[in-house]
Amino acid sequence: EAGVVQSPRYKIIEKKQPVAFWCNPISGHNTLYWYRQNLGQGPELLIRYENEEAVDDSQLPKDRFSAERLKGVDSTLKIQPAELGDSAVYLCASSGRGTAPGANVLTFGAGSRLTVL
Amino acid sequence: GESVGLHLPTLSVQEGDNSIINCAYSNSASDYFIWYKQESGKGPQFIIDIRSNMDKRQGQRVTVLLNKTVKHLSLQIAATQPGDSAVYFCASSIGGGSNYKLTFGKGTLLTVNP
Repeated sequence: EAGVVQSPRYKIIEKKQPVAFWCNPISGHNTLYWYRQNLGQGPELLIRYENEEAVDDSQLPKDRFSAERLKGVDSTLKIQPAELGDSAVYLCASSGRGTAPGANVLTFGAGSRLTVL
Repeated sequence: GESVGLHLPTLSVQEGDNSIINCAYSNSASDYFIWYKQESGKGPQFIIDIRSNMDKRQGQRVTVLLNKTVKHLSLQIAATQPGDSAVYFCASSIGGGSNYKLTFGKGTLLTVNP
């Protein structure tokens, strides 16, 4: 199994430019998450999807960040325009359903490292 | 609000020794806890989890202990190996289902000396 796939792995842009990140979750995982991880910090949740519905986007800076998961599978996270403080690793994760051990465990992708100059 | 913190930002051990990584949480309503390992350039990798109705859970070479009285959990790694060198994060959540939201601590960097 491929796991959670993210692209691009690295992106360097100038401030005020747009950028987009793509995520393909584990097959069958209904829940998809986008996290942001600043250098030396733990991941912080940006948005959580249940299928195609964003059920928690309270931490998403909606003035410049947007996300979509149109068919309940792949997801895209966009930043427009990017600011210097957006430099971070953007992690996508997915999880399944149920009460069985491990059902709710988040499986993370390798992340997309963004550098804004 | 929920916050999760770690007592030590770095830990250095000799190969073969046991490692103990500590974590404190602030919200007594937290009922699910999880440890992740993150190697350089990779995403966090699941190690072990525990629910609040348990105080100990064992995996392969790892044990998580939960002390709800003092809101503390620890990750014990037996016979630490060089491949265990990474940043370790604890995370917690309150409730499940639609309220499921993991809050991560800052992480502890574990260095294993050969």
